[in-house]
Amino acid sequence: AQTVTQSQPEMSVQEAETVTLSCTYDTSENNYYLFWYKQPPSRQMILVIRQEAYKQQNATENRFSVNFQKAAKSFSLKISDSQLGDTAMYFCAFMKQLNNDMRFGAGTRLTVKP
Amino acid sequence: NAGVMQNPRHLVRRRGQEARLRCSPMKGHSHVYWYRQLPEEGLKFMVYLQKENIIDESGMPKERFSAEFPKEGPSILRIQQVVRGDSAAYFCASFKGAENTEAFFGQGTRLTVV
Repeated sequence: AQTVTQSQPEMSVQEAETVTLSCTYDTSENNYYLFWYKQPPSRQMILVIRQEAYKQQNATENRFSVNFQKAAKSFSLKISDSQLGDTAMYFCAFMKQLNNDMRFGAGTRLTVKP
Repeated sequence: NAGVMQNPRHLVRRRGQEARLRCSPMKGHSHVYWYRQLPEEGLKFMVYLQKENIIDESGMPKERFSAEFPKEGPSILRIQQVVRGDSAAYFCASFKGAENTEAFFGQGTRLTVV
């Protein structure tokens, strides 16, 4: 079974600064996908960024980027130029290829302070 | 294009009653996942359904809980004889197909058992 671990229950960052959220996972699969989802107070789950395990290049989406270390099974999210609207719960998720089996970490509550 | 629709958004049930949660996936999507989220926790996998089939129900309690995704109509998560511990937010996510990795989430149903 796949497990996803987010070791930081809460984090805070000053507006305009950079913050990194950690995620590690455990799997015996070689092909899989990793995701970061954001859940603001509205509870809507919003996809932030996605990484295919077969790609060595780290995914980037505007102010959001990941550091994917396949050998270490690590998938951290970096948020640059933090904005107040980034305040939310952030969930790391793992999906086995081809069967949509998606599992989530426990989440990190990020607060961006003005 | 309507997104994933879950209803009701809020549901209050007395202990011992039945709760029915509905999820209408994105148009053209035939794969549905149900997750449970307890306060301050991540999403816990419950069940994975395709049209008319349960693919994986390993995350769902064996008693009182059932799920279906009929050929026509929404997916239903049914909880019989609810107890206070069933109080949680229940999320549905839909995928277009087995090899499609983009999950679309509904806004969840918050179940409160009084």
